[in-house]
Amino acid sequence: DAKTTQPNSMESNEEEPVHLPCNHSTISGTDYIHWYRQLPSQGPEYVIHGLTSNVNNRMASLAIAEDRKSSTLILHRATLRDAAVYYCILGLNSGYSTLTFGKGTMLLVSP
Amino acid sequence: DTGVSQDPRHKITKRGQNVTFRCDPISEHNRLYWYRQTLGQGPEFLTYFQNEAQLEKSRLLSDRFSAERPKGSFSTLEIQRTEQGDSAMYLCASSTHRDTHTEAFFGQGTRLTVV
Repeated sequence: DAKTTQPNSMESNEEEPVHLPCNHSTISGTDYIHWYRQLPSQGPEYVIHGLTSNVNNRMASLAIAEDRKSSTLILHRATLRDAAVYYCILGLNSGYSTLTFGKGTMLLVSP
Repeated sequence: DTGVSQDPRHKITKRGQNVTFRCDPISEHNRLYWYRQTLGQGPEFLTYFQNEAQLEKSRLLSDRFSAERPKGSFSTLEIQRTEQGDSAMYLCASSTHRDTHTEAFFGQGTRLTVV
């Protein structure tokens, strides 16, 4: 599986935008970029995914570099409930493939 | 349906004992996955089922571990002769098999402590 690199932790203030980076220089042409997050004492939950184009949904936006070697998860206005570990994962459609999690980025949100 | 359900949420057992965990996936999901997560690490894949067939097992799944999904609905994960190194969160996830993207839905996990 292609490897991703994420910062161990990031901090943000409530109501401010957050940009969570992910490097994946060995991404293959068929790899989707998936983001999951894990709130304290919860299982991971899906956030967003993309292949080549930038993506938006109700939770977040995903900006994918033109060469696909990096991507950024954007939370437009962080809330205290967004404090979690965010995982950037490469792979096929996650509906029918296993997910290879790294250590992720722990996002701390201050009031 | 309220999502993926796991039981029990917490289990404390003595070393050498056997334990069994249950996972009830989202009802229409035909794929079911087991992951293990230790403190400070991301979840690690253990095994997955499509319907009742166990299609893949990780090297992490030693001979002491066995998983079943007898009728393609709920699944059980059994650990025999538990060791302290088995202490972890055991997560279950389910998904559907479709051509378009679908997400994996995770349960809240079963936290196992081996003393």
